[in-house]
Amino acid sequence: AQTVTQSQPEMSVQEAETVTLSCTYDTSESDYYLFWYKQPPSRQMILVIRQEAYKQQNATENRFSVNFQKAAKSFSLKISDSQLGDAAMYFCAHLRGSSNTGKLIFGQGTTLQVKP
Amino acid sequence: DTAVSQTPKYLVTQMGNDKSIKCEQNLGHDTMYWYKQDSKKFLKIMFSYNNKELIINETVPNRFSPKSPDKAHLNLHINSLELGDSAVYFCASSRLDRGNEQYFGPGTRLTVT
Repeated sequence: AQTVTQSQPEMSVQEAETVTLSCTYDTSESDYYLFWYKQPPSRQMILVIRQEAYKQQNATENRFSVNFQKAAKSFSLKISDSQLGDAAMYFCAHLRGSSNTGKLIFGQGTTLQVKP
Repeated sequence: DTAVSQTPKYLVTQMGNDKSIKCEQNLGHDTMYWYKQDSKKFLKIMFSYNNKELIINETVPNRFSPKSPDKAHLNLHINSLELGDSAVYFCASSRLDRGNEQYFGPGTRLTVT
């Protein structure tokens, strides 16, 4: 069964600095997708970034980028030029490529504090 | 122009009661989901419906019964509420094509007293 692990329950970063959130996953398959979702205090779940396992190129979305290491089964999120609005809980998630159910497996989450 | 909406956003009720949470999406997606987020913020899928057919039914007590009257709606009915049912319940939707992101509703915070 797939599992997703986020080993950092809490992280903090100074405004305008860079922070990296860690995520590892376990799967026996080679075809899958990985996601980072953000949950601010409003509790709305917002997609931050998506990575397709068959693509070697790391996904980027403005200040957000990932370091996808397929062999190591690692999928970290880098936030550059951190802003106060980045303060939230961040969830890493895995989806099987062959999934016909859309079942997302989430990690435990990392709470990010941004200090002014 | 809300994409995925849920009602109510907050629900406080007593043990033993029956309650429903409604979900609607206007994105034209063919698949809808219910997730439960517990007090430790852990998110776990409960149910998934594709074109009104149940495709995921995780290990959830049968007091929980989802109903999908059409592709745009997925409701969650909970019978005989227990203290342990207190959580935030999220509805989500997506296209079931490969790797499509799921869009989440705002969540319903259920408190059972």
